[in-house]
Amino acid sequence: DIQMTQSPSSLSASVGDRVTITCRASQSISTYVNWFQQKPGKAPKLLMYAASSLQSGVPSRFSGSGSGTDFTLTISSLQPEDFATYYCQQSYSVPPTFGQGTKLQIK
Amino acid sequence: QVQLVQSGSELKKPGASVKVSCKTSGYTFSTYAINWVRQAPGQGLEWMGWSNTISGYPTYAQGFTGRFVFSLDTSVSTAYLQISSLKPEDTAVYYCARGEGGLTPYDHWGQGTLVTVSS
Repeated sequence: DIQMTQSPSSLSASVGDRVTITCRASQSISTYVNWFQQKPGKAPKLLMYAASSLQSGVPSRFSGSGSGTDFTLTISSLQPEDFATYYCQQSYSVPPTFGQGTKLQIK
Repeated sequence: QVQLVQSGSELKKPGASVKVSCKTSGYTFSTYAINWVRQAPGQGLEWMGWSNTISGYPTYAQGFTGRFVFSLDTSVSTAYLQISSLKPEDTAVYYCARGEGGLTPYDHWGQGTLVTVSS
């Protein structure tokens, strides 16, 4: 199985900050990476797919990049509603594995 | 609008069975697969497998064979997850999620069903 390793595991930031979350795959996966946001007690929400494509309805302050083994999710200017846990997922091969999550907290 | 609505929380004893439903609406059921994802308390997301809504054929991830069964009722656009011989370690929130297949982005999710297994 392909392992997805996110860093950091947790992150404290302030409203207005620029934040970057990293995801590293255990082997090359081209751009087959998706990013999800999950708030407590809620289902995950798709933010980005194919590494850099913004899902419909997601604010443009979210962006993604990377290919091969290294990927990033960037939030350009944190808003109060962005404090949540973020997961990357590879969709290159079965099983589609998730990273362990990055919890973004208010500083 | 697209909706996936799951059945309510369940409290079961070890050894019992549970069946979780995922009723879809707002799109043609057969044009998207249904994936199942597990989230144990305080833990991350784990893909369990998916159902091909055209063929009805299920695919199970390792670790989800034997006691886990995916099924469909296309007449009511609903997918089901049945777990038999429940164990305490099956305690988790189970999500259904729509995708074009097992390896495509999951763009809509059910709200989740908490299954608690306790004596």
